[in-house]
Amino acid sequence: SQQGEEDPQALSIQEGENATMNCSYKTSINNLQWYRQNSGRGLVHLILIRSNEREKHSGRLRVTLDTSKKSSSLLITASRAADTASYFCAGTGANSKLTFGKGITLSVRP
Amino acid sequence: DAGVIQSPRHEVTEMGQEVTLRCKPISGHNSLFWYRQTMMRGLELLIYFNNNVPIDDSGMPEDRFSAKMPNASFSTLKIQPSEPRDSAVYFCASSLYRDAGELFFGEGSRLTVL
Repeated sequence: SQQGEEDPQALSIQEGENATMNCSYKTSINNLQWYRQNSGRGLVHLILIRSNEREKHSGRLRVTLDTSKKSSSLLITASRAADTASYFCAGTGANSKLTFGKGITLSVRP
Repeated sequence: DAGVIQSPRHEVTEMGQEVTLRCKPISGHNSLFWYRQTMMRGLELLIYFNNNVPIDDSGMPEDRFSAKMPNASFSTLKIQPSEPRDSAVYFCASSLYRDAGELFFGEGSRLTVL
């Protein structure tokens, strides 16, 4: 089952603007994670939010989780050109498997 | 620590050949995952191990794919015989806990089957 579908598929913003990316999932999760992937590289973990948490911050990142709507959002504030990458959400279900969505391509124009 | 190490980074082979991809997880991590990434299907979990034991291989596409973890510091993913539709980037990831806390990914092995 898909435990992460991101929206939009692509996002282009100006440096300094905020970027908001959304993720929906279908079944109950224990936690939800966001990852980043630069072109040609492996994924890098950004932040994990547990099912009993509603909001979490890490530097310029803010993640929210709404378990009633089965959705999460990732906000990157004051974006930089270096934030250009693909971003993935991934949920951990009862089977302990981490299942990824197809990702959002973020382009930050200098 | 050097992180998760995968080899080769790039492999080009002909249909029907055997392909072996290798992974060295981070020392002390108990779980190891193999993922495949394509534009069409995104990131697919193929198999994962906990304490060197395969826990779930339901994502392995077919019998041509096999994975082993003979010890805590080494895993292989083998495709025999390879087909053009196997072309993808294969990622290995490791984590400290079985219940999928933070995953640490390698840089991937890009496989092209002609």
